[in-house]
Amino acid sequence: EVQLVQSGAEVKKPGESLKISCQTSGYSFTSYWLAWVRQMPGKGLEWMGIIYPGDSDTTYSPSFQGHVTISADKSISTAYLQWSSLKASDTATYYCALRIGYDSSGYYHHWGQGTLVTVSS
Amino acid sequence: SYVLTQPPSVSVAPGKTARITCERNNIGSKSVHWYQKKPGQAPVLVIYYDSDRPSGIPERFSGSNSGNTATLTISRVEAGDEADYYCQVWDGGNGLYVFGTGTKVTVL
Repeated sequence: EVQLVQSGAEVKKPGESLKISCQTSGYSFTSYWLAWVRQMPGKGLEWMGIIYPGDSDTTYSPSFQGHVTISADKSISTAYLQWSSLKASDTATYYCALRIGYDSSGYYHHWGQGTLVTVSS
Repeated sequence: SYVLTQPPSVSVAPGKTARITCERNNIGSKSVHWYQKKPGQAPVLVIYYDSDRPSGIPERFSGSNSGNTATLTISRVEAGDEADYYCQVWDGGNGLYVFGTGTKVTVL
């Protein structure tokens, strides 16, 4: 059974750094792309970026490029999303999602439970 | 930027049919996927590759895609179908994935 288990809720101050995780199991971690998706309070889903853990090839949405870093640790089948300097506007729920499908137009069939990040002074 | 336009809201009576559109020029040439999102829960895939249904998703959910419009149809709507629905495509030109603006389905 495929499982994506995310780290718990975080409360941070503006300017602080943060790294949240998505621990996976039940499939070959290095063989599938894994994405991060943001949902700000009361807003829609936003695709942030995607990583191929096999070689750490990463693509970012222009909206998030330079503000977050996506990484993966093959040894523990875990992906990460990190910020070096949080802003209040980073307050949102973040989801990791596993891309399935026979090509790049694939879909996200498995999702983590979400990590709520609150940034407030 | 690549925008997928959905109606903000759709209201439907129980037992009736809800149709949610996702519009973009020539979207018919893309593979469209649909997700159901309820408050406090992770998104759930309900349709993939335009019209395929994952196991566990009721047959009441169906999809189509042609021309400039992709459509998610929910037949015999139930109270439990009340949620936000998002379409999603891959913009091959930029290598990016895009979600639609989202549609809130309200069951009257």
